[in-house]
Amino acid sequence: GAVVSQHPSRVICKSGTSVKIECRSLDFQATTMFWYRQFPKQSLMLMATSNEGSKATYEQGVEKDKFLINHASLTLSTLTVTSAHPEDSSFYICSASGDRSGGYTFGSGTRLTVV
Amino acid sequence: KQEVTQIPAALSVPEGENLVLNCSFTDSAIYNLQWFRQDPGKGLTSLLLIQSSQREQTSGRLNASLDKSSGRSTLYIAASQPGDSATYLCAVGPGGGNKLTFGTGTQLKVEL
Repeated sequence: GAVVSQHPSRVICKSGTSVKIECRSLDFQATTMFWYRQFPKQSLMLMATSNEGSKATYEQGVEKDKFLINHASLTLSTLTVTSAHPEDSSFYICSASGDRSGGYTFGSGTRLTVV
Repeated sequence: KQEVTQIPAALSVPEGENLVLNCSFTDSAIYNLQWFRQDPGKGLTSLLLIQSSQREQTSGRLNASLDKSSGRSTLYIAASQPGDSATYLCAVGPGGGNKLTFGTGTQLKVEL
């Protein structure tokens, strides 16, 4: 079945630094990728939608200059959290669509801790 | 605006029971509906995908049904096991690679 690989699974960084999270579709071309954020015991919150080769569409309230999304190829999307602060600590999950089933495949998530 | 609700929010059952999780959505113009499970601290695992033209899908002990006209889907889990303990999410897709709308989730605990 369709597989989406997300790295790293955990990252701890110092306040003020930037962190990059990668999301790769391994066996299909992901025409669209989605980035979510999840707080403890809450459902997923969509941050942005990205289509290959074009600028990401951000949800209301999400700072596009802070959460940089790049979808340079049909198999890779990256989320960079710039100048991270402790309040950015969260669980980030990517998702991709584009496999033949029409369904959505999720990465395994990245636990970001900013200290 | 599509809204997706799941009932119950939490469920605790003894091992071996058959159970039903419910998902309802307000806009029947959907392309597909997908059921996921999420274990604590993990990503989402797709369980079943039902296209809008289908009525149900089965995988092992899981069976999901879809009734578009009434805006409902159910996930049936047969002979539940402790390993089934997780949060179950339904999500409706409008198609065209557009974003999913997630339900509120059902937290399931299967006890020995």
